Amino acid sequence: DSGVTQTPKHLITATGQRVTLRCSPRSGDLSVYWYQQSLDQGLQFLIQYYNGEERAKGNILERFSAQQFPDLHSELNLSSLELGDSALYFCASSVGRGGGDTQYFGPGTRLTVL
Amino acid sequence: GQNIDQPTEMTATEGAIVQINCTYQTSGFNGLFWYQQHAGEAPTFLSYNVLDGLEEKGRFSSFLSRSKGYSYLLLKELQMKDSASYLCAVDNYGQNFVFGPGTRLSVLP
Repeated sequence: DSGVTQTPKHLITATGQRVTLRCSPRSGDLSVYWYQQSLDQGLQFLIQYYNGEERAKGNILERFSAQQFPDLHSELNLSSLELGDSALYFCASSVGRGGGDTQYFGPGTRLTVL
Repeated sequence: GQNIDQPTEMTATEGAIVQINCTYQTSGFNGLFWYQQHAGEAPTFLSYNVLDGLEEKGRFSSFLSRSKGYSYLLLKELQMKDSASYLCAVDNYGQNFVFGPGTRLSVLP
C-alpha cells in the first residue's frame, strides 16, 4: 500500500458525459501527478500540481482539467468523454516539486466509456 | 524530442538471471527510475539512479551510463511473482516523468 488513495476504483459512463476522479496523496507529500494508461500505450503524463499550483503539463487534452485543493487532495475532471478515453487513470504523489523525487502511485481508477 | 526504448517482452526461467535494458534520449535528465507493474495494478518503485554505476537492492540491481543514455535492471534468482511489466522512467529535470513503453517479463517454471 503506497499511501495514495484514489476513488472511485471503477467508473462506467457514456460518451459525452463528464466525470471526476479523486486522489489523496501520501501524508506529507506536496506534489500530485496524473497519468493515463491505455491498453496499447504506456503511462502518459497528464499534469502535475505542487502545493496547489500547476507545476508541469504533459499531453493533457483541453477536455480534461485538474486542480489541487488546500488540503492537497486533487481532482481530475474529464468532460465530453469519448470511447478513446477509456483507460486506467493513475495518481501519484511525491514529497517535493520533482527533481529526483520518487513518485508513489495510487491504485488507479478504471474508466470505461460506452 | 524524448524517446525511451525497452524490449517489449522477455521470457526467463525461475531461478535464472534476467537483464532488462532501457535506452533514452530526453531533453533533460535528472535521474532514471525503474518501476514494476503487475497487470491492472499500480506501478511500484524499484530503484533510482542519478550517477553512473550500479545500485544494488537485494535481488534487484540497476545500472546507469549517462554518457550512453543507457540503463538496465538486473533481476536475480527469478521467482514466479516477478512476472510483471518493468517500466523505466526518466526524470526530465522535475518537469515530468517520461515513461518507457515497459517490458513484459514472463517467468516460467
